[in-house]
Amino acid sequence: EIVLTQSPGTLSLSPGERVTLSCRASQTVSPNYLAWYQQKPGQAPRLLIYDAFIRASGIPDRFSGSGSGTDFTLTISRLEPEDFAVYHCQQYVTSPITFGGGTKVEVK
Amino acid sequence: QLRLQESGPGLVKPSETLSLTCSVSGDSISRRTDYWGWIRQPPGKRLEWIGSIHYSGRIYDHPSLRSRLTMSVDTSKSQFSLTLTSVTAADAAVYYCVLLSREGRGDSWGQGTPVIVSS
Repeated sequence: EIVLTQSPGTLSLSPGERVTLSCRASQTVSPNYLAWYQQKPGQAPRLLIYDAFIRASGIPDRFSGSGSGTDFTLTISRLEPEDFAVYHCQQYVTSPITFGGGTKVEVK
Repeated sequence: QLRLQESGPGLVKPSETLSLTCSVSGDSISRRTDYWGWIRQPPGKRLEWIGSIHYSGRIYDHPSLRSRLTMSVDTSKSQFSLTLTSVTAADAAVYYCVLLSREGRGDSWGQGTPVIVSS
């Protein structure tokens, strides 16, 4: 089973700031079947990025994904008020599918 | 637009069986390559994939749940279902039904249904 470790656990930021979230895998994720989700309180996760860097339909271009192998990154170029949420990474290269523990982006 | 809606009891007694159904609307459940799946989120814990089923009946499931898990698809009702036997407190979670790509990413999610395990 591939274990995904997200860091940091919590980020306290202000609107307009640049955000970089990390997801590290215990084994190589190849091909780059790595996704990022956004989850707001009381809501289901929403797919942001898949295959490491492809934006899902309707996702603003301030969200971008990068990385390969065991290290992946989600970047939000400029935080908007609606971006404060929990972000999860997921690998789907190997069964069982697994998720990271999440990073909470909160208002400073 | 695709919509997934979970239904089932919100409360299950320990050692009993949890049964959930997901109703699919806005698109055909008989999509050629996609899978229909279940993902849960225990309070304060990470998301956990439970299993995925193709309309043809092909199943992928989490090895830790395999002995207690049954999944099925009813194309006539445009529904798919999950049955989990011998539940314990560890099975308490919000359960989501999800449209998963053939590769396994979660493209579309239901709103989730909370399940409490208590006598």
